[in-house]
Amino acid sequence: GDSVTQMEGPVTLSEEAFLTINCTYTATGYPSLFWYVQYPGEGLQLLLKATKADDKGSNKGFEATYRKETTSFHLEKGSVQVSDSAVYFCALISGGGADGLTFGKGTHLIIQP
Amino acid sequence: GAGVSQSPRYKVAKRGQDVALRCDPISGHVSLFWYQQALGQGPEFLTYFQNEAQLDKSGLPSDRFFAERPEGSVSTLKIQRTQQEDSAVYLCASSLRDRGTYGLAYEQYFGPGTRLTVT
Repeated sequence: GDSVTQMEGPVTLSEEAFLTINCTYTATGYPSLFWYVQYPGEGLQLLLKATKADDKGSNKGFEATYRKETTSFHLEKGSVQVSDSAVYFCALISGGGADGLTFGKGTHLIIQP
Repeated sequence: GAGVSQSPRYKVAKRGQDVALRCDPISGHVSLFWYQQALGQGPEFLTYFQNEAQLDKSGLPSDRFFAERPEGSVSTLKIQRTQQEDSAVYLCASSLRDRGTYGLAYEQYFGPGTRLTVT
């Protein structure tokens, strides 16, 4: 079945540091890949997505590139802010599996001023 | 405009009680999903509706779980004879597109969830 593995948290960084959150996947079929974010006290919201190999999703300074050869979709940001503190979930949906998203366990990111 | 709403936001049930959780999706959204999120875990898919049709219930953990969307809008997730392992946050999401080609790659909009605690 489908699965997503992402780095365990919490990840603590100083403001303006470079961020990478690793995500790898296994999937039946050809998946679409997503990063969702959950800010404190709020619901899950889509951060970015990519639907085919070598696509780069980007939003709010965050980027992730769909790498089919390494089955990865790592999230990066060049300079994090305190307001980026949240829980980040990598997820996929594939034509060969269930109709819902398959999520990783989430990575709690803490940005210190 | 209004987003996805869920009620109640919090529910405490004694073991063995039945519970019903409600989801109001965004108006006009064809697809509706239910997920279960245990503490410290990512959400896990439970079931999918396209309008009023339940097309996928592969994630429902047991026959105590039942979902419906009779008019293709509001949905209810019912859990019969609740057990402690049912304690979790139940999330509802809706999406504009149906299951067709690339439809499931469209953004899912999530509600705030219902936190169920079974004592």
